Amino acid sequence: DQQVKQNSPSLSVQEGRISILNCDYTNSMFDYFLWYKKYPAEGPTFLISISSIKDKNEDGRFTVFLNKSAKHLSLHIVPSQPGDSAVYFCAVNAGGTSYGKLTFGQGTILTVHP
Amino acid sequence: KAGVTQTPRYLIKTRGQQVTLSCSPISGHRSVSWYQQTPGQGLQFLFEYFSETQRNKGNFPGRFSGRQFSNSRSEMNVSTLELGDSALYLCASSRDRDEKLFFGSGTQLSVL
Repeated sequence: DQQVKQNSPSLSVQEGRISILNCDYTNSMFDYFLWYKKYPAEGPTFLISISSIKDKNEDGRFTVFLNKSAKHLSLHIVPSQPGDSAVYFCAVNAGGTSYGKLTFGQGTILTVHP
Repeated sequence: KAGVTQTPRYLIKTRGQQVTLSCSPISGHRSVSWYQQTPGQGLQFLFEYFSETQRNKGNFPGRFSGRQFSNSRSEMNVSTLELGDSALYLCASSRDRDEKLFFGSGTQLSVL
């Protein structure tokens, strides 16, 4: 039972344009939603997170949107840069006594073309 | 501030052997979690330790175990290695009650 789904395996974007990465989840009890960036054979790098009581969080070029009624999460990167090319994972956290436990989506490969 | 440090970076073992991986968390972080990444299953949660106690456990067989020391450093052990245990093993640390986990570079384990 996949609790977190990233339905797009890959996304290709031109430099300077917006990248939109999407994620769907099934359990309405999740408290926190996160995005990580990952390069092959390296650990994920934390990008941005949002709690379930908010619907938007911004940090520089990165904005995360949360639509609780649709159980949908998205990451917007504006403007996209070639250095953003990587695999992006969304992850969910139930909070409470489970802060250290993240459930990850399968990832989306983002390629930003110069 | 130093990040999460994992050793060794690469490891090659044969079936039936056992292996121990080490993780030093970010200073001040008392929660340490372990994850396995494989091409087929993606990133999967193994277990989490806080104050030397296992607080959460994922769906892995008992061959996978871990522990945490009083300085928050952690080790994980895999006994009776199988070919399917070949994976990137990632350690993450966080402050207590903080959803943000910070990952190390991982240990790439190959089982032959």
